[in-house]
Order: sequence, then C-alpha cells, then structure tokens
Amino acid sequence: DVVMTQSPLSLPVTLGQPASISCRSSQSLVYSDGNTYLNWFHQRPGQSPRRLIYKVSNRDSGVPDRFSGSGSGTDFTLEISRVEAEDLGVYYCMQGTHWVFTFGQGTKLEIK
Amino acid sequence: QVQLVESGGGLVKPGGSLRLSCAASGFTFSDFYMTWVRQAPGKGLECLSYISPSAGSIKYADSVKGRFTISRDNAKNSLYLQMNSLSAEDTAVYYCSRDPRLLDYWGQGTLVTVSS
Repeated sequence: DVVMTQSPLSLPVTLGQPASISCRSSQSLVYSDGNTYLNWFHQRPGQSPRRLIYKVSNRDSGVPDRFSGSGSGTDFTLEISRVEAEDLGVYYCMQGTHWVFTFGQGTKLEIK
Repeated sequence: QVQLVESGGGLVKPGGSLRLSCAASGFTFSDFYMTWVRQAPGKGLECLSYISPSAGSIKYADSVKGRFTISRDNAKNSLYLQMNSLSAEDTAVYYCSRDPRLLDYWGQGTLVTVSS
C-alpha cells in the first residue's frame, strides 16, 4: 500500500498567521491518465470530512482562496495564508492513484 | 444538491452481520463510481471498497476482503455494504462517498459498534 506521511501531526497556530502542512507519498501519485490524484480534506469534530483541494491544486467550490495546494510526484503541500477560527480541526491528505487509496495520519490544526 | 445518507449502523455482537445502506440524491447515481470509507473512534480514515457504475468493477481493502460485500441498486439510487464476521476492530463510523479517487461528496456517516 502507498504510505502517506503528513507533517507536522500537530500544528499550533496564531489566528491571522500562515500555516503549512506537508504530505509525502511512498510512490509517485501520477496515474496512467496523467492526473495526480492527491486530495486534501478538512474534518471538524463530529463532522464528516469535507474536501478542500483535489488533484493537487484545484480548490473546491466555496473553499476560501486562502487555501492552496501544490506539489508533484511524491511531495505535496497544503497552505493556509491566514488562519481563521473556522479552519481549526484535522487535515488529511489522500491519494486516489493506487488502490487501496490511502490517507495521511492527519494534522490537527489548533490555536497556539 | 448532492446528498448521501447512510443508515443501518448499530450495535452488533462479534461474529455478527450488518447491512449498511446509502441513499443518494441530487445527481445521476448510475453515472458514478461509489465507495465506502470508515473511521474508527479517534482514528484516521480508511478506504474499504469501491464499485463501478455497472458493478462490473469492484475492489476491497485487504482488511475487509472476504467479509464485506459492496453492491448497488441504480434503480433505487442506493449503495450497500454487507458486513459479515464482524469484530471489535470493525467498530467505526462508516461513510459512503462519491468517486473513490476524488471523494467529492460524503454522507454524514453511520456508527457501527461491535461489542458483546
């Protein structure tokens, strides 16, 4: 299975400041159709995960533009330009290239 | 708008069975691959299985292969997960989601607790 490794696992932040989460895969995530199926999700306590970013850098509808995704191959990053209170929770990266599709361990974004 | 609503969770004894359902609306269900993902209490997310629109392509994670069966009824816009030989390790919230490579929409989840 492809192992997805996120860092850090805990990210204390000050509201209004930037935040960055790294995600590394144990294999290239480039699929045979040319797409890279690396997605980012946000989950608040007691809620379902919500997708923020798909195929590395495409922001979902309704996701604020302070969220951005980047990367290629095996190295990916989610950046938040200015953290707001509603951004707190757990962030997961996920690869949809190699079955079984796998998630990172999750990064908990919390107030410093 | 796209809606996915899971049902069928509950308390079951080890070795028992349960059938989960996911009712889909707001999109053409028969056009999409569908998938089940679970989350054990306080843990991360695990993809379990997916099924193609015609049910001609089905995949399982090793953790559930031979015990769980995914199926769908396109006439009823519904996805199912038959779970047999359940153990405590299967205790989790089970989510259905659309498009297994992209997971663009999720249901609210249904809790399965395996305990004697």
